[in-house]
Amino acid sequence: AQTVTQSQPEMSVQEAETVTLSCTYDTSENNYYLFWYKQPPSRQMILVIRQEAYKQQNATENRFSVNFQKAAKSFSLKISDSQLGDTAMYFCAFMRRGGLTFGKGTHLIIQP
Amino acid sequence: DSGVTQTPKHLITATGQRVTLRCSPRSGDLSVYWYQQSLDQGLQFLIQYYNGEERAKGNILERFSAQQFPDLHSELNLSSLELGDSALYFCASSVQSSGVNTGELFFGEGSRLTVL
Repeated sequence: AQTVTQSQPEMSVQEAETVTLSCTYDTSENNYYLFWYKQPPSRQMILVIRQEAYKQQNATENRFSVNFQKAAKSFSLKISDSQLGDTAMYFCAFMRRGGLTFGKGTHLIIQP
Repeated sequence: DSGVTQTPKHLITATGQRVTLRCSPRSGDLSVYWYQQSLDQGLQFLIQYYNGEERAKGNILERFSAQQFPDLHSELNLSSLELGDSALYFCASSVQSSGVNTGELFFGEGSRLTVL
């Protein structure tokens, strides 16, 4: 079975700072896909970034980047120049056949 | 706006009752997924349909059932409701030709179910 672990239930940083959210996962698969989703107070689930396991290069989307360590089964999200609108729950997720398996989430609070 | 529409947005009902949640996927998306989000269990995958056929099943109770219709909309039926079924139910869709879904899932805004 696949499991996804997010060890930080809540984090708080000042606006403009850089923050890293951690995620580890467990799988016996070799080819899979990893995601970070954001859930703001509106409840909408929004894709932040996606990583394909066979790609060694870390994915980047504007201020968001990942540090993907396949051997360590680690998939952390770095948010640079954090903004107030980044305040949300962040979920790490693992995808193979069937649905996404989500971690418990990290509540990120950006302080003004 | 993700393009995925869920109705109703809020629903309050009593224990023992039955409800139906509806989902319209994005135009062109063949796959529909249902997820349950509760405080104690987090986000749990329930079931996936692809072009009308059940494709994968997760932690879905026997009291729950789903189907995907020829027009690709999907319904999740919850029966003999219990207090613990109170949760946010998400529908998501994706384009999937076959096999493993490699792309983004587009989520609806969810249906908030409260069982009293």
